[in-house]
Amino acid sequence: DQQVKQNSPSLSVQEGRISILNCDYTNSMFDYFLWYKKYPAEGPTFLISISSIKDKNEDGRFTVFLNKSAKHLSLHIVPSQPGDSAVYFCAASYFGNEKLTFGTGTRLTIIP
Amino acid sequence: GAVVSQHPSRVICKSGTSVKIECRSLDFQATTMFWYRQFPKQSLMLMATSNEGSKATYEQGVEKDKFLINHASLTLSTLTVTSAHPEDSSFYICSATTTGTGVGYTFGSGTRLTVV
Repeated sequence: DQQVKQNSPSLSVQEGRISILNCDYTNSMFDYFLWYKKYPAEGPTFLISISSIKDKNEDGRFTVFLNKSAKHLSLHIVPSQPGDSAVYFCAASYFGNEKLTFGTGTRLTIIP
Repeated sequence: GAVVSQHPSRVICKSGTSVKIECRSLDFQATTMFWYRQFPKQSLMLMATSNEGSKATYEQGVEKDKFLINHASLTLSTLTVTSAHPEDSSFYICSATTTGTGVGYTFGSGTRLTVV
């Protein structure tokens, strides 16, 4: 049972444009969401997070939006840069549970 | 920032042998460490959660006698793959946290295990 889903396995975006990565979840207990970036043969690197009490969180070029009613979150990267090419995972957890549940990942390719 | 060191980064072993993977928090005390496994083009799947000084909690479907986890100190957790078989070949990643609230996770760089 995949509780966190990223339905797009891959995405290609022109350099300088906006990249939008989507994530859906099914467990209504999740109240904390995170995005990670991962290069091949490396561990994930934390990018940005959002708590369920907010619907938007911004950090530089990265913005995460949360729509609780739709159980959907998205990561916006603008402007996209070649170094952003990687696999992006969304992850979710809930208060009192330390475990992270990961999505299946989206491979983002930025085209110069 | 917080750093988690994981090694080896890559290991090849013969079928039937055991392999130990170490995960160390270098500049913080990790109350909880997690071990994940990732197959190619798939998600990171949590294998087990370990708290210092207590037995690890394994996820459903993970054989605890095959994947031995020891969290002997606040800075070190080890995963031993016993009697490895080719189907155990995978990318194993640890992460550590001090907060226990789903935030503040730091991941190791991962270990590519190939069993031949």
